[in-house]
Amino acid sequence: GQNIDQPTEMTATEGAIVQINCTYQTSGFNGLFWYQQHAGEAPTFLSYNVLDGLEEKGRFSSFLSRSKGYSYLLLKELQMKDSASYLCAVNGNAGKSTFGDGTTLTVKP
Amino acid sequence: GAGVSQSPRYKVAKRGQDVALRCDPISGHVSLFWYQQALGQGPEFLTYFQNEAQLDKSGLPSDRFFAERPEGSVSTLKIQRTQQEDSAVYLCASSLGAASKNTEAFFGQGTRLTVV
Repeated sequence: GQNIDQPTEMTATEGAIVQINCTYQTSGFNGLFWYQQHAGEAPTFLSYNVLDGLEEKGRFSSFLSRSKGYSYLLLKELQMKDSASYLCAVNGNAGKSTFGDGTTLTVKP
Repeated sequence: GAGVSQSPRYKVAKRGQDVALRCDPISGHVSLFWYQQALGQGPEFLTYFQNEAQLDKSGLPSDRFFAERPEGSVSTLKIQRTQQEDSAVYLCASSLGAASKNTEAFFGQGTRLTVV
């Protein structure tokens, strides 16, 4: 099966940088996704990693180390609107995604 | 359509009542997923369709849960004899390719089911 661990809550200041970690133990690995979910809304896609290394997309970057079962999402130049839950999801065999419980990020002025 | 549409947005059911939740995926999307999300937790996989074929239903919690996608587009998740533990947000997601292709999934806003 899959086991996904990420911190429950994080707090950061507007304009700062924050790193949200995700560790996983899986019986199969076919890629890792990060999603953003605002309260009461649908998760929206942020990034996808299948090979080791860093993927950068504007203010958001995601890193993967398959040998360590580890990923992080890096958010730069934080804005108030970045306050949300950030979900790490691992795709196992046959494309089924297993989600972590999410990290609730609060951005303070 | 422009995005994944789910209806109803909110549903209150009396314990023992049957409910049907509808998902309209993005037109042309091959893959359709149903997830259950309890408060403060991540989405839990329920079932997966590739076109009209239900390829994986390993996440359905009991035989009271049934899903179909008869024409490979709209999908319905049916819950029979609802119980209080079924209260959750039910999310539908679709993606362009087959799940094994790891294409991005687009989520609907979900149906919040409350069983009283």
